[in-house]
Amino acid sequence: EVQLVESGGGLLQPGGSLRLSCEASGFSFDNSALAWVRQAPGKGLEWVSGISVNGEITHYADSVKGRFTISRDNSNNALYLQMNSLRAEDTAVYYCAKVADSGSYYNDYIDYWGQGTLVTVSS
Amino acid sequence: QSVLTQPPSVSGAPGQRVTISCTGSSSNIGAHYDVHWYQQLPGTAPKLLIFGNTNRPSGVPDRFSGSKSGTSASLVITGLQAEDEADYYCQSYDSSLSGSWVFGGGTKLTVL
Repeated sequence: EVQLVESGGGLLQPGGSLRLSCEASGFSFDNSALAWVRQAPGKGLEWVSGISVNGEITHYADSVKGRFTISRDNSNNALYLQMNSLRAEDTAVYYCAKVADSGSYYNDYIDYWGQGTLVTVSS
Repeated sequence: QSVLTQPPSVSGAPGQRVTISCTGSSSNIGAHYDVHWYQQLPGTAPKLLIFGNTNRPSGVPDRFSGSKSGTSASLVITGLQAEDEADYYCQSYDSSLSGSWVFGGGTKLTVL
């Protein structure tokens, strides 16, 4: 059974930093691309970032580029999101996601989601 | 404002058929990128419903179907059931945004 368990969320002030973690199990981690998707309270889904199988290729939404860094540790089946210079608009539930390989990054999709971790940015 | 446009809400009575549209442009759906659909039940994480425009993962009932034409895609639910009440999101890729996947704004389905 595929499991994705996020941790690291919390309440912090604007300008602060936070590192989210995602522990994965139940699938071939080092053969799977991964992603972070967030959902602000009462709002829709927003893709945040994606990372390739070996971690060499990363992508970011314009809204977080330069502030967030995605990384992975294939030896520990872990995905991370380092979030710096946090803003109120970053308040959201952050989902860790396993990406299904369609053969093309442009047509990839998420086949499994974690339960999410809440990040609240407020003074 | 989402790059992919969905109606905020749709509704139908049990047993009826409903359609949820997802309208894009020449830089996403119209550029032949696949459309995928997710279902989010209240208080839970999203779940994959349709991938590659028309394909259902194992375990998804055949009451759910997807299609794509031009710059739009549609999710059709037939034989509506109470447990289908959820938020539905389309997702694709947009070439005008660097490296970016995009989601529709979501559609709330109410079963009357």
